[in-house]
Amino acid sequence: HVQLQESGPTLVKPSGTLSLTCTVSADSLNTFHWNWVRQAPGKGLEWIGCLYDNAKTNYNPSLQSRVTISRDTSRDSFSLRLTSLTAADTAIYYCAREPRNSSDWELDSWGRGILVTVSS
Amino acid sequence: SSKLTQDPVVSVALGQTVRITCQGDSLRTYYASWYQQRPGQAPLLVAYGRNKRPSGIPDRLSGSFSGNTASLTIAGAQAEDEADYYCGSRDTSGNHLVFGAGTKLTVL
Repeated sequence: HVQLQESGPTLVKPSGTLSLTCTVSADSLNTFHWNWVRQAPGKGLEWIGCLYDNAKTNYNPSLQSRVTISRDTSRDSFSLRLTSLTAADTAIYYCAREPRNSSDWELDSWGRGILVTVSS
Repeated sequence: SSKLTQDPVVSVALGQTVRITCQGDSLRTYYASWYQQRPGQAPLLVAYGRNKRPSGIPDRLSGSFSGNTASLTIAGAQAEDEADYYCGSRDTSGNHLVFGAGTKLTVL
């Protein structure tokens, strides 16, 4: 059973930095691609970026200047860092898995999500 | 354009068939994936590629394509199918993932 678990602060200040971690099943970090997706309250899904199995990254052009996704193989986890926060970054943040052999960019397993609120 | 367009609201009578659509220029080149999201839950992949389904997804949910439009068809709609449905696909560059704004399905 695939498990992804998001963790991190749920309240961050405007102009601050959001740092989230997604813990995945042991030994799977190098065998899948890993994505972050967010959902503002009452809104739709927004792709943030992807960490490939070869450790390369790919970001949403609208967020690229503020986003970093990286991995920690020793902890079976990958992380999201988003800087210069505003209220518009308030959202549920999901981590999601993409099969390495995918050609359709399907996200076949998702974490439960973590609600992050940007407020002073 | 990298935009995927979905009808905001669709309704279906219990037991009937409904089609949820997703339009976009990138769909002439790339397949879409479909996600079901019930209130308070994470999205769930229900269809992708050329009519593929993850294990555990009933075959009354099926995906199809025509031109620039991807469709998710739900046959014999059940109360449990009431949810938001999102399509996702590559943008026209092929390098980024984009989602439609979602369709709220109501089962009457």
